[in-house]
Amino acid sequence: GNSVTQMEGPVTLSEEAFLTINCTYTATGYPSLFWYVQYPGEGLQLLLKATKADDKGSNKGFEATYRKETTSFHLEKGSVQVSDSAVYFCALSAAGSGGSNYKLTFGKGTLLTVNP
Amino acid sequence: DSGVTQTPKHLITATGQRVTLRCSPRSGDLSVYWYQQSLDQGLQFLIQYYNGEERAKGNILERFSAQQFPDLHSELNLSSLELGDSALYFCASSVGPSGGETQYFGPGTRLLVL
Repeated sequence: GNSVTQMEGPVTLSEEAFLTINCTYTATGYPSLFWYVQYPGEGLQLLLKATKADDKGSNKGFEATYRKETTSFHLEKGSVQVSDSAVYFCALSAAGSGGSNYKLTFGKGTLLTVNP
Repeated sequence: DSGVTQTPKHLITATGQRVTLRCSPRSGDLSVYWYQQSLDQGLQFLIQYYNGEERAKGNILERFSAQQFPDLHSELNLSSLELGDSALYFCASSVGPSGGETQYFGPGTRLLVL
């Protein structure tokens, strides 16, 4: 079946540090890949997405590139801010076992804390 | 603000009871999805409705059921509640029937079963 594995947290960084959160996936077919962010006490928000190999999603200084050869979609940001403190979820959308009914499969989430 | 609303925000109940969670999708969205988020299981897809019809099913227990009404709001019914059902329940919506589209999440309902 489809699955997403992302690095275990928590990750603690100082402001302006470089961020990488690793994400790898297993899926049938050609999935779309997403990063969602959950700020404290809120629901999930789409951060960025990529729908085909070599696509780069970007938003708010975050980037991730869809790497089919390594089945990865690592999240990066060059300089994190305190306001980036949140839980980050990698997710994929691919067909279920019946070949239809695409649905989101999430990783377990990575808690990021950025200290001033 | 995603435009997806969920009520109530918090719910405390006892084992064996039944509760109903409500979700209103973004204006114009026809699909509603339900997810359960717990510490041990992470974020799990439960079920999807599209324009009133069940579209996809995930790890939803038989004690749980959902429906989508003609005005497109959705309700998730949880019955014979157990301690392990304590979790954050999210609703999300999207425009079309495919789970591959961008989904917009509500703020969640936190359920505590005592």
